[in-house]
Amino acid sequence: EVQLVESGGDLVQPGGSLRLSCSASGFTFSSYAMHWVRQAPGKGLEYVSAITTNGDGTYYADSVKGRFTISRDNSKNTLYLQMSSLRAEDTAVYYCVKKKPGLAPFDYWGQGTLVIVSS
Amino acid sequence: DIQMTQSPSTLSASVGDRVTITCRASQSISSWLAWYQQKPGKAPKLLIYKASSLESGVPSRFSGSGSGTEFTLTISSLQPDDFATYYCQQYNTYWTFGQGTKVEIK
Repeated sequence: EVQLVESGGDLVQPGGSLRLSCSASGFTFSSYAMHWVRQAPGKGLEYVSAITTNGDGTYYADSVKGRFTISRDNSKNTLYLQMSSLRAEDTAVYYCVKKKPGLAPFDYWGQGTLVIVSS
Repeated sequence: DIQMTQSPSTLSASVGDRVTITCRASQSISSWLAWYQQKPGKAPKLLIYKASSLESGVPSRFSGSGSGTEFTLTISSLQPDDFATYYCQQYNTYWTFGQGTKVEIK
C-alpha cells in the first residue's frame, strides 16, 4: 500500500525557515517524480514544486521561486521542502504527492502537514 | 502559464440530481485534465484522468468529457457521499488547479 507521511509543519514567524519531510513507502520511491501541493485555510489547491526521480531537475511555482527548495534522498525514501523567507501567505496545509509516470495526474496524496506563518 | 477556471464556484443540489461542473483552460491542453474530489480535512482523491478515464474504484456515476479548452465533470445521480469540493487540474504544461466547485446540499 502506498503511504506518504508528511512531517515538520509548525508555527513560524514571518521571515523564518522550516523544513518539511515526506516519508514514502509501498512503492519504488526512486522511480517516481514527486511533488508538493499546498492549500491555505478555506482556499483551493495551489501547486508548489516538483522534483525528478534522481533530483537533477526541479520546478517551482512563481509564488515560491527563490524561497523554497525541493530535494529528495532516495536512500531514505524521503522528500523534502526547505522553506525560507516565509510569509503569512505561505500559511497552508502542505501535501506530498506522487504522480503516475509520464503525462499523468496525481494518484496518491499524503495527509498533509500544517504550516502557520504568524508573529 | 495555463489558467484553469471552474464554474460554478458553489452548486446546491439534492440527492438524485444530475450535476455538471465546467472547467475551462486558458489555452489548449488536449485531454490532459484530471478531476479530484476533496472532503473537509482530507486530501484530494483522483476521480477522472485524461479528461474522461475513470480512476479504478471510482463509481460509474462520475464521468468526464471534453478536450482542448472545455471540460465537464458530471455526476449522474448525486449521492450523499458526493457532497464535497471538486477540482480540475491540467497536466499538459506543468500543473495548475481550478479554484474548486463546492457541491452542497440544497
